[in-house]
Amino acid sequence: DVKVTQSSRYLVKRTGEKVFLECVQDMDHENMFWYRQDPGLGLRLIYFSYDVKMKEKGDIPEGYSVSREKKERFSLILESASTNQTSMYLCASKGGALLYEQFFGPGTRLTVL
Amino acid sequence: ELKVEQNPLFLSMQEGKNYTIYCNYSTTSDRLYWYRQDPGKSLESLFVLLSNGAVKQEGRLMASLDTKARLSTLHITAAVHDLSATYFCAVDINNDMRFGAGTRLTVKP
Repeated sequence: DVKVTQSSRYLVKRTGEKVFLECVQDMDHENMFWYRQDPGLGLRLIYFSYDVKMKEKGDIPEGYSVSREKKERFSLILESASTNQTSMYLCASKGGALLYEQFFGPGTRLTVL
Repeated sequence: ELKVEQNPLFLSMQEGKNYTIYCNYSTTSDRLYWYRQDPGKSLESLFVLLSNGAVKQEGRLMASLDTKARLSTLHITAAVHDLSATYFCAVDINNDMRFGAGTRLTVKP
């Protein structure tokens, strides 16, 4: 079974703090994704990565950056957290034999005070 | 800009009834996904539709894709309470995944 894990289920931070969200997958997938989910808006793609050190902007990259130094790990960074970044963050990966199937992590609910 | 529209956004139905959720998208794509999300949980993949005319079925759910009409449907047959969840469709354009807003389905006895 594909496993996608995220470093925290719940996180509370203060405005202006630097925040790191980590995602790890164990299936050697090439592609990894970060989304945020807000009520009524569905999921919106922040960034994705198709290889180590490679990244592409998604729909809403502003205020975020990402890092992919190893194939299995994809980090989302909020350089200076703001209250409008309070959201559920979901990581996903896809690749390998099930190239078209995307697997999601459990999510991190981030609250910025 | 790629837009994905789902309707209805809220659906309350009785057990045993049939209903269809619609997913329209604005740009050509051959990959359409359906996911299920339970409250407080992550997304679970239901179907991946890869070509025009594709139809997939799992239990009481059946998904179809018409790429010419840019329309996918998720049909629910003889609904049961366990199907209560939020259902999302998503379109893949070269790894740029765009999701619909979701359909919150409640099945009542």
